[in-house]
Order: sequence, then C-alpha cells, then structure tokens
Amino acid sequence: GAGVSQSPSNKVTEKGKDVELRCDPISGHTALYWYRQSLGQGLEFLIYFQGNSAPDKSGLPSDRFSAERTGGSVSTLTIQRTQQEDSAVYLCASSLEGLRSYEQYFGPGTRLTVT
Amino acid sequence: GNSVTQMEGPVTLSEEAFLTINCTYTATGYPSLFWYVQYPGEGLQLLLKATKADDKGSNKGFEATYRKETTSFHLEKGSVQVSDSAVYFCALRIQAAGNKLTFGGGTRVLVKP
Repeated sequence: GAGVSQSPSNKVTEKGKDVELRCDPISGHTALYWYRQSLGQGLEFLIYFQGNSAPDKSGLPSDRFSAERTGGSVSTLTIQRTQQEDSAVYLCASSLEGLRSYEQYFGPGTRLTVT
Repeated sequence: GNSVTQMEGPVTLSEEAFLTINCTYTATGYPSLFWYVQYPGEGLQLLLKATKADDKGSNKGFEATYRKETTSFHLEKGSVQVSDSAVYFCALRIQAAGNKLTFGGGTRVLVKP
C-alpha cells in the first residue's frame, strides 16, 4: 500500500513569509508525528497526534509553529513569519496504536529553505 | 531529560569489514530502543528494535543488544556491503511519555568496494 506522503518536496520561501507543509499518513494509522532534521540540531521531535487526544506539542520550538490534523488523517504544519533558522527537512511519520505503535513509518520529508 | 549519544561519522569501511556504531542513552524511565536507517535519497526506516534489557534486535545482518547496565545499544554487522552505505540513527522511546522518538545525531557510514 501507499506510504506516508508529504508535500511539497521542496519549498523555498523568503524570510517573514508563512508556509504550510502537508502530510498524508498511511491509511489506518491513528498516530501522526512531525520531526525536523537540521544540520545543527539533528533529528528533533516537534508534535504528536494520537487519535482524538490532545496533541503533544512539547517539541514545537516557538509559537510561530502550529499543526493540525483534520478528520484524523491529513496533517498540516504551519510556520508563521519564517526565519532562516527554520531551514530544515521536516519529516512526518505515522504509526498504528497498541502493540505495533513502536514502528513509525516516515515520509520522504519537505526540504524548507528560508532565504 | 532523555537523550541519545552516538558516535560521529563518517565511518568509512571496506566491503566485508566489521561495523560497530556506538550508542548510549540517558532516560528517565524504561525506554524501548531502536535503530533507524536512512539510505541515500530515501526516508527513514526502522532497522531493528529492543524493548527490554538483554533483548537483541536483529535485521539484515545487523544486531544490537539492549544493555541496561551500560545504558548502551551498539549496532554491529559482521560483514558490510556497499549497499549498507547510509546514515544510521539510534533512538529511544518512553511509552509512558508518549510515542515520540528521541534520536541521536546520526552516523554516516560509507562502504567502499
């Protein structure tokens, strides 16, 4: 079946603009995660959605970052007033719940470049 | 807090050489441990896992043993191939703290023919 998909694959934006990154998880996966991969910080957790529970936002670096998940499926990560330090690859992952929740399936990522 | 430390790369090897990538962790609670791999041009994928002390995860000729006494989860392969060239990430998860993964910095491995 289809894996996790993300769009766009690449995004170049000017400093100060807002961007939206999209993630389509694997069908049937109730958990969805956003991570960021950057040269200076490695791979870091941003936010986690699990079913109808309140999301775990503990990894969001500032209030310029937000995410939503509509209908328990597609998720959008929004970065407002982008800064150069936001340049990174943004990764989305999804997983089942319960005993198989440990295996997260990652998408190819969106490479964001802020100029 | 939780953290994972792994050896910095790049690690350059010849084909059929023995590979070890060291990984140690700090965790509040009892973590599950993972190795993820990122092949060139591909997304991250789970390589192997261990959920309790002394468990050995294995896949594709790679092995790692969960050592609670040394808080380590070193990755090993006895005979690497060119196709093993990739970036390897050690990670942990504390289930009681949600399913988010805490990753190490990644180790790039280059296997030369």
